[in-house]
Amino acid sequence: AQSVAQPEDQVNVAEGNPLTVKCTYSVSGNPYLFWYVQYPNRGLQFLLKYITGDNLVKGSYGFEAEFNKSQTSFHLKKPSALVSDSALYFCAVRGFISSGSARQLTFGSGTQLTVLP
Amino acid sequence: SAVISQKPSRDICQRGTSLTIQCQVDSQVTMMFWYRQQPGQSLTLIATANQGSEATYESGFVIDKFPISRPNLTFSTLTVSNMSPEDSSIYLCSVAVTSGGTLNTGELFFGEGSRLTVL
Repeated sequence: AQSVAQPEDQVNVAEGNPLTVKCTYSVSGNPYLFWYVQYPNRGLQFLLKYITGDNLVKGSYGFEAEFNKSQTSFHLKKPSALVSDSALYFCAVRGFISSGSARQLTFGSGTQLTVLP
Repeated sequence: SAVISQKPSRDICQRGTSLTIQCQVDSQVTMMFWYRQQPGQSLTLIATANQGSEATYESGFVIDKFPISRPNLTFSTLTVSNMSPEDSSIYLCSVAVTSGGTLNTGELFFGEGSRLTVL
């Protein structure tokens, strides 16, 4: 089975400060990892993904994430937070079953980010 | 990318009734999915909507409760049948786009969701 953990329900950060939203995963084989953001009363928007290659991936709105295989983590980061970054963030993982077929995406429980002015 | 329109955006329903949610995509897509997001919780995959055949349901979801249609590559419907207050959720339509890779490496695009409240 595959799973995703977002250990923090809520993250508060002051505007202009760096932010980190944590994500760890459990999956068989090499994972495909994704971050999505959900603004109030909206659907999810794709931010970035890790498939292979460079462990540091850059995405939309200045966000980046670092894949760490030894720690099975994929933390979302941004050097300088904006009030408009306040939203619900979801980490997701796709692993593979033994036949090589892909599993569906499994989403984490979400982390509410609040950037304080 | 893909632009996904869902209708209705929200509704208040009476217990025991059924509601059909529509999902329209602005381009032909192979993979369409329906997710449920219960209040304060994460997304749970209900089923994969297959064009021209029966949907593939995840564990805990059945066709009688959540019948799905997929008449073509741009449209799907999800019906929530015989609703109870426990069905109060946001229901999200999603499509997979290959973005130059494969369906496995591609990200999902989501509609804005249909917020159902069952009284």
